[in-house]
Amino acid sequence: AQRVTQPEKLLSVFKGAPVELKCNYSYSGSPELFWYVQYSRQRLQLLLRHISRESIKGFTADLNKGETSFHLKKPFAQEEDSAMYYCALSGLSGNTPLVFGKGTRLSVIA
Amino acid sequence: ETGVTQSPTHLIKTRGQQVTLRCSSQSGHNTVSWYQQALGQGPQFIFQYYREEENGRGNFPPRFSGLQFPNYSSELNVNALELDDSALYLCASSLPGLAGDDEQFFGPGTRLTVL
Repeated sequence: AQRVTQPEKLLSVFKGAPVELKCNYSYSGSPELFWYVQYSRQRLQLLLRHISRESIKGFTADLNKGETSFHLKKPFAQEEDSAMYYCALSGLSGNTPLVFGKGTRLSVIA
Repeated sequence: ETGVTQSPTHLIKTRGQQVTLRCSSQSGHNTVSWYQQALGQGPQFIFQYYREEENGRGNFPPRFSGLQFPNYSSELNVNALELDDSALYLCASSLPGLAGDDEQFFGPGTRLTVL
């Protein structure tokens, strides 16, 4: 079965502290992994995807196939990073639906 | 280029009624996916339309149905509404292509409350 698990509903960190949002998945085959973000009063938007290997807004995520994890990291949290973060997966071929985790709310404290 | 839009923003229905939600895709996108997001949950896939044909369906009953039009706008219809249908309904448009080039762009959602 396809499943995405985000174990933390809420994560609070101080400004300037490192951030790690955890994501584990189960999928039969090779999935594509994503992180989506939703800032207050804004729509859901793609933050990054493992296939592009980009760093967006200082965030990175490495796909660990052995541990079936795709944790999101940032070395120094900023207040503007406060948002709801969703980990998601899909199949590698185009047009496959996204399977989302329940999300983690990140709160960066000044 | 315009983004994905949805209407209405929110609405209230009573149990047993029927509802139609609308989505206008991003310019040039021929694929639309609908998701249901219950409170405190991540979005859950309902179905997808590609060039006016259903192209995949999640674990939702047949009373959830959809349409996609030649201009790629789409509708989500829900019959015989139940209290558990109360949720945020999201549509996302995309233009399938090479892996890494098929990002789904989400609309702002329609908040449905069933009383």
